[in-house]
Amino acid sequence: QVQLQESGPGLVKPSETLSLTCTVSGDSISSSRFYWGWIRQPPGKGLEWVGSVYFSGITYYNPSLKSRVTISVDTSKNQFSLKLSSVTAADTAVYYCARPYSSSSDAFVSWGQGALVTVSS
Amino acid sequence: QSVLTQPPSVSAAPGQRVTISCSGSSSNIGNNFVSWYQQLPGTAPKLLIYDNNKRPSGIPDRFSGSKSDTSATLGITGLQTGDEADYYCGTWDSSLSAWVFGGGTKLTVL
Repeated sequence: QVQLQESGPGLVKPSETLSLTCTVSGDSISSSRFYWGWIRQPPGKGLEWVGSVYFSGITYYNPSLKSRVTISVDTSKNQFSLKLSSVTAADTAVYYCARPYSSSSDAFVSWGQGALVTVSS
Repeated sequence: QSVLTQPPSVSAAPGQRVTISCSGSSSNIGNNFVSWYQQLPGTAPKLLIYDNNKRPSGIPDRFSGSKSDTSATLGITGLQTGDEADYYCGTWDSSLSAWVFGGGTKLTVL
């Protein structure tokens, strides 16, 4: 049973950097051959893909966030992380980390419970 | 403005069948697999359909998916009150090099 758990501050000040970590259990990032993802959902709105990272560190980012996003992986801790800089109130959202179904299907099958991050002074 | 277009809401009576559409383009749905997600209030999304029409283990066959050209459809038969949720389609967009979701459809079981 694969489990993902987001962790990080729930409150970030405007213009600062949002940092979240996803800890994976029941699976090994280092032996996976797919892209682990971050997806966010502003209150009352739809899902927005933030970006994804391969076990080797290769990343893909949402073009609309690319200049502010960094996603990294730490295989020794079986974690991957999200950093979003220069945040504004528009970045307030529940942030989910997710695992694809398989190396041949990138649909997100396992999701963390989500971490609400509020941007406010 | 989502890259994939879904109706904001659909409704049907218990026991009936409902379909939810997802319209895209050749750069996304037309050339990539589509997946569907169910999100109950206050919970994380749940994968219902992957690779256009496959169901993960544990998903009942009341849920089905199909794709034609640049559109995809989620079908739900034998509607139950517990099916009331938001439903999202998603796929990779080869032009954007990005994963894209539809805007979501709220299903009401009357």
